Amino acid sequence: RKEVEQDPGPFNVPEGATVAFNCTYSNSASQSFFWYRQDCRKEPKLLMSVYSSGNEDGRFTAQLNRASQYISLLIRDSKLSDSATYLCVVNRGNDYKLSFGAGTTVTVRA
Amino acid sequence: DAGITQSPRHKVTETGTPVTLRCHQTENHRYMYWYRQDPGHGLRLIHYSYGVKDTDKGEVSDGYSVSRSKTEDFLLTLESATSSQTSVYFCAISGHRDSSYEQYFGPGTRLTVT
Repeated sequence: RKEVEQDPGPFNVPEGATVAFNCTYSNSASQSFFWYRQDCRKEPKLLMSVYSSGNEDGRFTAQLNRASQYISLLIRDSKLSDSATYLCVVNRGNDYKLSFGAGTTVTVRA
Repeated sequence: DAGITQSPRHKVTETGTPVTLRCHQTENHRYMYWYRQDPGHGLRLIHYSYGVKDTDKGEVSDGYSVSRSKTEDFLLTLESATSSQTSVYFCAISGHRDSSYEQYFGPGTRLTVT
């Protein structure tokens, strides 16, 4: 079983729509959770950390469910510039190594 | 953006030749990592370093070695390149604050082994 699993998509949505997707993780000792964004042929960039209470950054909302071991990302009022692959990332217990999902592709169309 | 550079950015090499990729940071981060990214696999850890001269293996370390002689530089060497090592290689850093696990990535190196 992969440490982090994501629906690869693609999620194809019109501008202005809301899109949401989840990932699941297998290591119950994981303590830190992140969403990264990766544009085609570019490096991953940190989008946001995910906190236990849930957190929001502009149009992006992240939620963590420790009991069910899943993390979600919701994008409101989608922009063309939101088109990217979103990577779910989880730390491996109490160390500095991270496990990466294979990514969920989002395409926002005009 | 974090000050991380990788060199070269693109390389084509022949099977059996040695290849060294360089990662350089100006952020004084303690931890450095090498990943490879292939379609359908996401990012996979090759090796990482938790300080000068302190390195350890990741889950796909076979065929790779690393060295870190100073804080700023982390080198990845393919001793004898194979076609299966054709990939995009990313370097990452972390550990500016002891409680911080997020990683910051360099721009990547596209390696093709023919």
